[in-house]
Amino acid sequence: GENVEQHPSTLSVQEGDSAVIKCTYSDSASNYFPWYKQELGKRPQLIIDIRSNVGEKKDQRIAVTLNKTAKHFSLHITETQPEDSAVYFCAASIDSGYALNFGKGTSLLVTP
Amino acid sequence: DSGVTQTPKHLITATGQRVTLRCSPRSGDLSVYWYQQSLDQGLQFLIQYYNGEERAKGNILERFSAQQFPDLHSELNLSSLELGDSALYFCASSHTGDTEAFFGQGTRLTVV
Repeated sequence: GENVEQHPSTLSVQEGDSAVIKCTYSDSASNYFPWYKQELGKRPQLIIDIRSNVGEKKDQRIAVTLNKTAKHFSLHITETQPEDSAVYFCAASIDSGYALNFGKGTSLLVTP
Repeated sequence: DSGVTQTPKHLITATGQRVTLRCSPRSGDLSVYWYQQSLDQGLQFLIQYYNGEERAKGNILERFSAQQFPDLHSELNLSSLELGDSALYFCASSHTGDTEAFFGQGTRLTVV
């Protein structure tokens, strides 16, 4: 089955700096790669996703890149703010509508 | 509010007991997914139902079972509970063609 590795497990940045979280996956059949943000005590919420026919996608301060050949994808957050502090999970799936295989999460702390 | 409702929010029970967790998906969503979140294992996919039928199975123990009813709500049954089953159990739902799986607020299970 699919195995998703996520690094780093913790990340601390200063407000205004950029944060990068990287994930690798094992199953070449995976085509859908969402990123979820989970604040303390709350449910995971989708922040951005990308499909295998696209190399990069941006949404304001958040961007995701995908290298399907190398089987890795990354989340980039620019101009970080304290409210970006949360646990971020990457995931991989055959497609939307199918089960998500999650990485183990990255705890991001943005200090003022 | 994601529109996915899980009950109960908290559950404390003893080892060896059996519990049932309930999930009501968003209106119109045919897919229901169950995930287990523990501190050391992240978000683990357990099982998916689509319109009443089992669609995919992940790392679900034989002591655990689930079903989706004609009104599309789902129940996750956990039996012969062990201390290690203590975790946050999330239900998510999605609609055909949607990219996003919406998560409920979770049920925190504590086995003592």
